[in-house]
Amino acid sequence: GQQLNQSPQSMFIQEGEDVSMNCTSSSIFNTWLWYKQDPGEGPVLLIALYKAGELTSNGRLTAQFGITRKDSFLNISASIPSDVGIYFCAGQRGNNDMRFGAGTRLTVKP
Amino acid sequence: KAGVTQTPRYLIKTRGQQVTLSCSPISGHRSVSWYQQTPGQGLQFLFEYFSETQRNKGNFPGRFSGRQFSNSRSEMNVSTLELGDSALYLCASSSGLGPDTQYFGPGTRLTVL
Repeated sequence: GQQLNQSPQSMFIQEGEDVSMNCTSSSIFNTWLWYKQDPGEGPVLLIALYKAGELTSNGRLTAQFGITRKDSFLNISASIPSDVGIYFCAGQRGNNDMRFGAGTRLTVKP
Repeated sequence: KAGVTQTPRYLIKTRGQQVTLSCSPISGHRSVSWYQQTPGQGLQFLFEYFSETQRNKGNFPGRFSGRQFSNSRSEMNVSTLELGDSALYLCASSSGLGPDTQYFGPGTRLTVL
């Protein structure tokens, strides 16, 4: 089940704005992952983080693995309409023990 | 490398029926995990198979079962379907040999009437 607190639940932003979302947990994770899911499709991996403090970018996306290993954030810069979707965080503890956040629904107005 | 494939993509069943969903993992991946996704509960872990053995199991009733074949393909079966079983069923594959990332398939949308 879900053990990750993801916020915000939804965001309505104007095209060109930056976006920030985060996930927190009471448990420590070895890996943090961020996925994007489009309607009717499975989640697609955006960024994987493997070390505490790690900061990784993928184009306009930047994610960080929190120092305490209990949190992570995802930033999207200069949003565009195709960024619309649901973003999920996931924490993994090995042996494929994975927990998910409830998702952040992003709407981008042109 | 081909991604994770799931069949069928859409399925409509009635209460009391049973259903079998199929998942083919990424070539070389030996672990297949199944998840149920609903608007109310989000993504919930069903079970994981690795080398034809169930390695982890979530908190679902015995009506939900699965298996994995020697070629790593996996099937999930739900018997005596209930209305609440309507969901997107996602399969994810990984190497399963340690901390790793999972890659999801497109899912099977099951509707129970």
